[in-house]
Parts: sequence; C-alpha cells; structure tokens
Amino acid sequence: DIQMTQSPSSLSASVGDRVTITCRASQSISSYLNWYQQKPGKAPKLLIYAASTLQSGVPSRFSGSGSGTDFTLTISTLQPEDFATYYCQQTYSTPYTFGQGTKLEIK
Amino acid sequence: QVQLQESGPGLVKPSETLSLTCSVSGGSISSYYWSWIRQPPGKGLEWIGYIHYTGSTNYNPSLKSRVSISVDTSKNQFSLKLNSVTAADTAVYYCASLGSAYPYYFDYWGQGTLVTVSS
Repeated sequence: DIQMTQSPSSLSASVGDRVTITCRASQSISSYLNWYQQKPGKAPKLLIYAASTLQSGVPSRFSGSGSGTDFTLTISTLQPEDFATYYCQQTYSTPYTFGQGTKLEIK
Repeated sequence: QVQLQESGPGLVKPSETLSLTCSVSGGSISSYYWSWIRQPPGKGLEWIGYIHYTGSTNYNPSLKSRVSISVDTSKNQFSLKLNSVTAADTAVYYCASLGSAYPYYFDYWGQGTLVTVSS
C-alpha cells in the first residue's frame, strides 16, 4: 500500500494568514493526488484533484502543487470558513489511501 | 448535480453483517465508478472499495475477505455488505462517486451514516 503522510498534523493560524500543508507519498504517484476539506459532522469536500486542478466552485485562494512524492496545499488568505481538517489522497493505485489529516485551527 | 444518500441500520450486533445502500439521484449510475469510504469516530478516512456499473469491483485488501459491493442499475443504487463485524467496524460510512477515468477523485459524497457495532 502507498502510505500518505501529512505535515503538520495540526496547525494554528489567523484569518488572513497564508497556510501550507504538505503531503508526502511513500512512492511516486505521479500527479494522482487529491485534496479534501472536512468540517465537523460533514462529508469531505473535494478541493483539488490531479495535484493542482481546482474543483469547480472552490475559491481561488486554494491551490495545489507537486508531483512524484511531494505535494502541497496552499491557502493564500485564510478565511473564517477555512478552519477545518484537510486530507490528501492518492488514486495512483489501489488500495486508495488518505493522509492522516491536518487540523487547521484558529489562533 | 449528482446526489447520494446512504441508508441502512445504525446499529449492528458483533459477528453479524453490516448492510448499507447508496441511492444516486441527479445522474445515472451507469456512468461512473462508485465507492464506499468509512471514518471511525475521531479518526481518518479509509477506502473500502469500488464498483463499476458493469459489476466489476475492487476492494481494500484489509477488508477484502469480509466485504462485498453490488450494484442495481434499475434502482440507481449500489450496496455494501460487511460481514463478521466487530467494534472496530464502528464508523461513519460514506458513499461517493469516483469518476469514470483517470485522474480519479471522489467528487460527490453522501452525507454519511453512523453505524455502531454493539450488542
């Protein structure tokens, strides 16, 4: 199985900050990397697919980059509604696997 | 806009079979791959498996011996069965669409249903 490791596991930030979350795969996954946002009691929401393609309707302050084993999710200017848990996930090969999550909290 | 809705018992006894159904609306099930994903309380996400409308399946090896996913195209539904459940199978179970080709991603999700395994 491909292991996905996110860092940090938790992060405190303020509205208006620029935030970066990192995801590392245990082997190369090309660009088959997706990012999801999950709020308490809700289903995950797709933000970015194929490492850098913004899902329709997702604000442009979210961006993704990377290929191979190292990927990043960046939120350029944090908004109050962005405080949530973020997961990376690979679809390079089955079993599809998720990172452990990064909880973004208000400072 | 595709919508998914999980249904099934919220309480299952240990050693019994967990059965859930996902109803798809706003689109045809004969278009994509369809998946089940679960999340134990307070923990991360685990992919269970997927099914294509043709009936082909792919399961997570960690659950493969106990899981079965089926599709009913006439009802626009797909279903999950997980047998011999234990407390470790207590989780919120989500159904999701996986797309039809690379790059695959889970773009539509049900709201999730909590299944508790307890006597």
